[in-house]
Amino acid sequence: QVQLVQSGAEVKKPGSSVKVSCKASGGTFSNYAISWVRQAPGQGLEWMGGIIPIFGTANYAQNFQGRVTITADESTNTAYMQLSSLRSEDTAVYYCARGVQLYQLRGWFDPWGQGTLVTVSS
Amino acid sequence: EIVLTQSPGTLSLSPGERATLSCRASQSVSSSYLVWYQQKPGQAPRLLIYGASSRATGIPDRFSGSGSGTDFTLTISRLEPEDFAVYYCQQYGSSPGFGGGTKVEIK
Repeated sequence: QVQLVQSGAEVKKPGSSVKVSCKASGGTFSNYAISWVRQAPGQGLEWMGGIIPIFGTANYAQNFQGRVTITADESTNTAYMQLSSLRSEDTAVYYCARGVQLYQLRGWFDPWGQGTLVTVSS
Repeated sequence: EIVLTQSPGTLSLSPGERATLSCRASQSVSSSYLVWYQQKPGQAPRLLIYGASSRATGIPDRFSGSGSGTDFTLTISRLEPEDFAVYYCQQYGSSPGFGGGTKVEIK
């Protein structure tokens, strides 16, 4: 049974960058997509992008193009999401989630990581 | 881009009552590509229904999904205390997208 464990909460200044990690255990890492989804306080869910580790190429949502970088390290079963040029509106909980379709970014997400709160404040 | 609209925004019901949640898509979605999640405060979303109508592992049979095309429904036949939460639909076409959520609260 796959488990995703994310890095801890972060507090960042506007204009800086944040990098959140997501370590997978208990299952196959490389062949299934890892997506990143964020949730602003009291708001809904927003897909940011995803990566299939064995292929190494990430796809990004249009809203985040140019500001987000998603990578994966197969040697440590860890995926990363880096968001740059942070602004107060980026304050949110960031989740990683595994796709369920082999070798496909499309699909639903199960399981999810526990979430990482990123606070952007001067 | 497919936009999902969930209604109502909030549903106030009592334990034991039936909950009917709607998810409407701006264009037709393959039934295979529509899923539902449950989210409780401070927790990550949890997969409930995939392929519009198939329950995920461990999900009680009081949860059911239906629909096709642009109109999908999540039904909770008899609300248990642990079912009061926020529910999201999601489609996964070329770019995954979520509905805005329906909060099921205790009346």
